[in-house]
Amino acid sequence: DTGVSQDPRHKITKRGQNVTFRCDPISEHNRLYWYRQTLGQGPEFLTYFQNEAQLEKSRLLSDRFSAERPKGSFSTLEIQRTEQGDSAMYLCASSRGGTGYYEQYFGPGTRLTVT
Amino acid sequence: AQTVTQSQPEMSVQEAETVTLSCTYDTSESDYYLFWYKQPPSRQMILVIRQEAYKQQNATENRFSVNFQKAAKSFSLKISDSQLGDAAMYFCAYHNQAGTALIFGKGTTLSVSS
Repeated sequence: DTGVSQDPRHKITKRGQNVTFRCDPISEHNRLYWYRQTLGQGPEFLTYFQNEAQLEKSRLLSDRFSAERPKGSFSTLEIQRTEQGDSAMYLCASSRGGTGYYEQYFGPGTRLTVT
Repeated sequence: AQTVTQSQPEMSVQEAETVTLSCTYDTSESDYYLFWYKQPPSRQMILVIRQEAYKQQNATENRFSVNFQKAAKSFSLKISDSQLGDAAMYFCAYHNQAGTALIFGKGTTLSVSS
């Protein structure tokens, strides 16, 4: 069990550019979550996958955001035409699936700075 | 909608002392889970302790314990014998029975002095 990994750890981009982040969950976990954490705030839910299916999306996920999880393994989060308000820490978490609650394990996050 | 409120942006404690972090939440659900997560500087978030709403007994994990008051919708975290390594941001979080997303409070920054 190597934990949840995220790449890159830091990304600086200019406004208007597109960026893509990757998350590799714990191998036996079939659920994957994306959260966004801005300075001084707790993480806010963005979207959730069960295997390769994206089952839930927050209203925070604007049309400029898209997430995929091909083959139910790693996931990518793409932000198109970045804005300064997109600057935040993007956290990925994974868990087992099934009825009830399963602990979510978090990755180290990708810190995005939009200049 | 469920909400989680942490009213203490910052707390401080001396080594070996005890500190209590506060959390209140609002929900109309009867079955849910409550958590305290720890996020050290530049490190990933880890689960400290979990409480199932149907359990009356307060959860305990070594030096960490909670005071769960369901009627008052209060969920505080007590850290006993504080250590320098306890310094971190602590988040209270809620998860309902059927849901998927964790709902977090804004966090409390805990500093520990020697």
